[in-house]
Amino acid sequence: QVQLVESGGGVVQPGKSLRLSCAGSGFNFSNYAIDWVRQAPGKGLEWVAVISYNGKKKYYGDSVEGRFTISRDNSKNTVYVEMSSLRPDDTAVYYCVREDGWHYFDSWGQGTVVTVSS
Amino acid sequence: EVVMTQSPATLSVSPGERATLSCRASQSVSNTVAWYQQKPGQAPRLLIYAASTRAAGIPARFSGSGSGTEFTLTISSLQSEDFGLYYCQQYNKWPRYTFGQGTKLEIK
Repeated sequence: QVQLVESGGGVVQPGKSLRLSCAGSGFNFSNYAIDWVRQAPGKGLEWVAVISYNGKKKYYGDSVEGRFTISRDNSKNTVYVEMSSLRPDDTAVYYCVREDGWHYFDSWGQGTVVTVSS
Repeated sequence: EVVMTQSPATLSVSPGERATLSCRASQSVSNTVAWYQQKPGQAPRLLIYAASTRAAGIPARFSGSGSGTEFTLTISSLQSEDFGLYYCQQYNKWPRYTFGQGTKLEIK
């Protein structure tokens, strides 16, 4: 079955960096775009970034543009997001999501928690 | 940016009754709307895509409708496991996806 497993979350100080990973299994990973969606405590869902199936196209939400970098290694079935200049309002559960060819999100990971605090 | 507005914020319904959740887009998004269910401590789960198509394994009591700017998720006969948070999402303006703020469906 389709599985997405995030890792790399933790507590980090403001201004520091953190890298999240998302490992996919149970499907042909290199055929799918992968997104990151986050959810701040008690809040709704916010789209963060997407990377195309081959890694050539990358897009970011306005709140993370210039600070986050998404990448992928299809030989390892893994997508990464490098988060820099972290702010307290980046505190959230970060979900890795598989994007169907028609662009809706058909599979979600269990999430990894990022807390930005001094 | 397309703003998705969900109503009501909270809906109280008794088991066995019908629940109707609404979602309005600030501009036309055709039928490119998905609905997700989220239970406490869990990741969201896809229920409906293309406004009215049920995802794999989703019970027939869940149905979606609408196009353009007005969308509805209907749960025909609420079961205890249906209570939770529901989000609509537009994916028309790729890749600028946006979600509604959510509707909390609670037991009356």
